[in-house]
Amino acid sequence: GESVGLHLPTLSVQEGDNSIINCAYSNSASDYFIWYKQESGKGPQFIIDIRSNMDKRQGQRVTVLLNKTVKHLSLQIAATQPGDSAVYFCAEEHNKLIFGAGTRLAVHP
Amino acid sequence: GAGVSQSPRYKVAKRGQDVALRCDPISGHVSLFWYQQALGQGPEFLTYFQNEAQLDKSGLPSDRFFAERPEGSVSTLKIQRTQQEDSAVYLCASSSDSLKEAFFGQGTRLTVV
Repeated sequence: GESVGLHLPTLSVQEGDNSIINCAYSNSASDYFIWYKQESGKGPQFIIDIRSNMDKRQGQRVTVLLNKTVKHLSLQIAATQPGDSAVYFCAEEHNKLIFGAGTRLAVHP
Repeated sequence: GAGVSQSPRYKVAKRGQDVALRCDPISGHVSLFWYQQALGQGPEFLTYFQNEAQLDKSGLPSDRFFAERPEGSVSTLKIQRTQQEDSAVYLCASSSDSLKEAFFGQGTRLTVV
């Protein structure tokens, strides 16, 4: 399939380490945020979401942090695995999903 | 079906040709979105339907782009007189509620030559 994220910033981590991917969003009125994972040749896949009335939400191995003051989101992946290698996008919901610039996560054994 | 289905998976069009891209959303999903994703970039919003009503088409880049969802389920994105800059992956997503997570299809990779 086609490659995603050829020119995107890359975060390289060792298998088993924790990963932190950051994202800045644009609209202070946005009230819902989502992190997506996109593997090559596939559509974006939902990972975790958070509403603006929260500052932290945890899932399985993933945590999303929201700092509304500086309009910043982060995705933390615990014990990163090779299967986590992909491009990660944050998206803000303001009547429609607006995607941020992605980050490629490369996990090395 | 279990997920959002898009067809064709790949499409090569000669410049000037018209193309039609199909999206079958998850059954019962009210909201349907089309996005355009250029290589190395994030998806860019094109248009949004709630049932058969096209509520937002602000992202359509020109009047050569047209989308429809006549019965509130299957949607078609049509591009007339394709140009090289139209080359991209076209993604469709559906959700049960515009405020809830949207599920994406695998996309249609359009290459205009």
